[in-house]
Amino acid sequence: KNQVEQSPQSLIILEGKNCTLQCNYTVSPFSNLRWYKQDTGRGPVSLTIMTFSENTKSNGRYTATLDADTKQSSLHITASQLSDSASYICVVSDRGSTLGRLYFGRGTQLTVWP
Amino acid sequence: EADIYQTPRYLVIGTGKKITLECSQTMGHDKMYWYQQDPGMELHLIHYSYGVNSTEKGDLSSESTVSRIRTEHFPLTLESARPSHTSQYLCASSEKGPTGDGNQPQHFGDGTRLSIL
Repeated sequence: KNQVEQSPQSLIILEGKNCTLQCNYTVSPFSNLRWYKQDTGRGPVSLTIMTFSENTKSNGRYTATLDADTKQSSLHITASQLSDSASYICVVSDRGSTLGRLYFGRGTQLTVWP
Repeated sequence: EADIYQTPRYLVIGTGKKITLECSQTMGHDKMYWYQQDPGMELHLIHYSYGVNSTEKGDLSSESTVSRIRTEHFPLTLESARPSHTSQYLCASSEKGPTGDGNQPQHFGDGTRLSIL
């Protein structure tokens, strides 16, 4: 069964600190993995996308890594800011069908305290 | 910022009412989607469309229906709302990619939070 599991479920850090969010997946055949940020009351916004051949991708203070062999990804946030408080969702796409369907994790709820 | 809009943002309504959730995008995207999201849970695809006059059911069974008469408009309708329909509904759109949906980013609206009393 294709699944996407994220950990931790929630995380609280102090402003200025770094943190790493984890995503494990069993989706096969794999097409790409995307991290989304969802602010409270808003829709998700894409942060990064990685295909099978890519093992790291950065977007400002966000750096995503991918290990396609172990089917794991991480999202590292550097020098956190209050505006980083949000849910971070890992989304994996397969390439086994015309639809190329998306599998969503439940997200990690990050809270940054001043 | 993606140009995709959902109205209303919040709706509290009684059981048995007919509801239409609006979704419009100005990017000319062919593909549009409706997701249902409960607090702390993953998004579930309930409907999608590849273009005008194309609608398909998603992975999660839903009593709602959709229509795609115009490229930019993808409304979702509940004929008779029930408390079990209480949820957040997110609309998204994406460009037509060479292979499948996952290669093109989905642009999401800010959702409609629906509460049925």
